[in-house]
Amino acid sequence: EPEVTQTPSHQVTQMGQEVILRCVPISNHLYFYWYRQILGQKVEFLVSFYNNEISEKSEIFDDQFSVERPDGSNFTLKIRSTKLEDSAMYFCASSEQGRGAGELFFGEGSRLTVL
Amino acid sequence: TQLLEQSPQFLSIQEGENLTVYCNSSSVFSSLQWYRQEPGEGPVLLVTVVTGGEVKKLKRLTFQFGDARKDSSLHITAAQPGDTGLYLCAGFGGTSYGKLTFGQGTILTVHP
Repeated sequence: EPEVTQTPSHQVTQMGQEVILRCVPISNHLYFYWYRQILGQKVEFLVSFYNNEISEKSEIFDDQFSVERPDGSNFTLKIRSTKLEDSAMYFCASSEQGRGAGELFFGEGSRLTVL
Repeated sequence: TQLLEQSPQFLSIQEGENLTVYCNSSSVFSSLQWYRQEPGEGPVLLVTVVTGGEVKKLKRLTFQFGDARKDSSLHITAAQPGDTGLYLCAGFGGTSYGKLTFGQGTILTVHP
C-alpha cells in the first residue's frame, strides 16, 4: 500500500541551527502539506503546496519556514533558525484532491527537539 | 479562525460499553473528517462526512454530521480493547487547500 514516508524520524538540534525535514509523498498525489503537533496540543496546519508553489499557509508559517519540492519525489520543510518552541512532531501529508473532502495521507512524523 | 472543540478529552470504559465523542464548532465546515492516531504514527482517516445530517457507519462506529455542518459525533457500540487509541476530528473550511482544523483529540481506553 502506498504511503507517505518521512525522514528523519527524530532530530535533535541546537537553538539557532537550520533543520530540513524530508518527505516522500505518495507518487500520484499532487497536493502536499505540512502539519505540526506540539506535545499535548492540537495538530496544526502549517502549509499546503501545489504546482510548485504555496497554496495556503498559516500564521505559524513565518519567514523562518520554507518548503520546497527539489525533485520529482521529495517535499521538504526547512526551518532556518530553530527556536525552542519549534520542538514538535512534524507531519507531512499528501492528497489527490486539493480542496474540500479529499483524503489526506499522513506520514509517521518527524520529531524535532530543539535544545 | 475556525475552532473545533472535541469532548471528552479522556474516556475510560469497560469492554462492551457504548460511547460517544463530540466535536463542536461555531463555524460551518464544508466537510468533517475523523481520524485515529496510534502512538508514534500519523493520523489515519476513518471517515469523511460532507452533507448536513449525514450518517455513516463503519462496523461498530457511527459518524454523524450535524444539520448545520457545525458539529459531528462518533459513536462506538460495544467497545473493544482494540478500539483504544486517540480519535481526532478535523474539518475543512470552504475555501481551504487541505487546511484541516483539528480538534484536540479524545484518548479512549477500553479495559478488558
